[in-house]
Amino acid sequence: SQKIEQNSEALNIQEGKTATLTCNYTNYSPAYLQWYRQDPGRGPVFLLLIRENEKEKRKERLKVTFDTTLKQSLFHITASQPADSATYLCALGPRSGGYNKLIFGAGTRLAVHP
Amino acid sequence: DAGVIQSPRHEVTEMGQEVTLRCKPISGHDYLFWYRQTMMRGLELLIYFNNNVPIDDSGMPEDRFSAKMPNASFSTLKIQPSEPRDSAVYFCASSLRAYGDEQYFGPGTRLTVT
Repeated sequence: SQKIEQNSEALNIQEGKTATLTCNYTNYSPAYLQWYRQDPGRGPVFLLLIRENEKEKRKERLKVTFDTTLKQSLFHITASQPADSATYLCALGPRSGGYNKLIFGAGTRLAVHP
Repeated sequence: DAGVIQSPRHEVTEMGQEVTLRCKPISGHDYLFWYRQTMMRGLELLIYFNNNVPIDDSGMPEDRFSAKMPNASFSTLKIQPSEPRDSAVYFCASSLRAYGDEQYFGPGTRLTVT
C-alpha cells in the first residue's frame, strides 16, 4: 500500500535560517502534491500545490520542489520567523478519477526560535 | 465567507452513546470531505461527497459510522454506538472543484468517548 513519510522528529531552527521539510512516498505515483500548515487546535490550511510536471513552485518565502524520480518533495521556508512555527503536512493527489482524494502524511512539527 | 463551520467544537460522551457531528461547507463548493485525525494514524479520509452524493466511503471504519448530506449546505457524521477508540479530532473540509483543488478545513470537533 502507499506510504508517505515526513520527518517524524520536530525540526528546530533559528530565526532567519531556512527550514527544509521532507516528504517521501512509496508505492504511489501522485499527479500533484499539496502542502498544508496546521496550528494547534485548528484545521489544516492550504499553502502550495505542485504538479508532477513542475520541478519547483514559489510563493513569497515558500518554495516547494517535486522530484518524481526520487519520489520526494522538499518544502523550504526562507528567512524563517517564530510565526512559522506549526506542523506542516504534505498530501498526495491522485493520478486519475477526477476526484480530489488526498492522502496526507503525518506532518512535521517546525519550531522557529528567536 | 465564514469558512467551513463545524459543531460542536468539543464533545465528551460515554461509550455506547450516539454522537452527531455537523458541518456547513463553504457556499458554492461542490465537494465535502470528512476526516479523522489521531496521533497514531494522522489525518485519514473517512468519506467524501460530490453534489450531496457520497462518492467514496471506503475510509469509514465500520458500520457504526454513517454520514449524510441532505443538502448543499449541511452534512452530518454519526457514530452509533460510540467507543473509546473513536476519540479523535474530526474535520470537515470542502473544495470548489474536483481535481487538484485546495481543500478548506473547518476548525474540527474534538471527540472524547469515555
